[in-house]
Amino acid sequence: DAMVIQNPRYQVTQFGKPVTLSCSQTLNHNVMYWYQQKSSQAPKLLFHYYDKDFNNEADTPDNFQSRRPNTSFCFLDIRSPGLGDAAMYLCATSRDFRGQYFGAGTRLSVL
Amino acid sequence: AQSVTQPDIHITVSEGASLELRCNYSYGATPYLFWYVQSPGQGLQLLLKYFSGDTLVQGIKGFEAEFKRSQSSFNLRKPSVHWSDAAEYFCAVGAEHGNKLVFGAGTILRVKS
Repeated sequence: DAMVIQNPRYQVTQFGKPVTLSCSQTLNHNVMYWYQQKSSQAPKLLFHYYDKDFNNEADTPDNFQSRRPNTSFCFLDIRSPGLGDAAMYLCATSRDFRGQYFGAGTRLSVL
Repeated sequence: AQSVTQPDIHITVSEGASLELRCNYSYGATPYLFWYVQSPGQGLQLLLKYFSGDTLVQGIKGFEAEFKRSQSSFNLRKPSVHWSDAAEYFCAVGAEHGNKLVFGAGTILRVKS
């Protein structure tokens, strides 16, 4: 089935140790998004790629970076995770913005 | 600025009863509207979406939603709730031609047997 796949589902990292989360999609969608979702809150958009064009949200910390090497893959890099970065990270895709399709998420814990 | 209000943080319904989750939005142009469902520890699943046309939209899992422009509302309904519907539901409006979603705070649905 076509879908959005996030790996790993659970990630534990140490305070300050860089971590990378990955997302792949078989939907051939041109837009890919990364969201952060903390407990009991709505998802918060960090950034999105429209094709190869990167669009950062104004309030996304510099600690968060992203790469999209091709249409199918997108990565979220957290350069120096802090305790406040522990959250669920959701990847989503869309075709020209007509509805977003989400992966199952990666739960990040920071020790 | 675009915004979405889901007035009910928690709703409890009996299995087999009907359900209506409320959503009000603020958006200057014709909105793109969405309902998503999220089970604990999972991602968001798209239930249904409205872009234009018929204001009554059918979605998956027996859900439907009605767009009412005069009330700036997009309420989600289901005639008979199943225990498996217990989850958190998010209403969202597509801003900037739909490339960004503005989410409501979510409504947690509990189903009692």
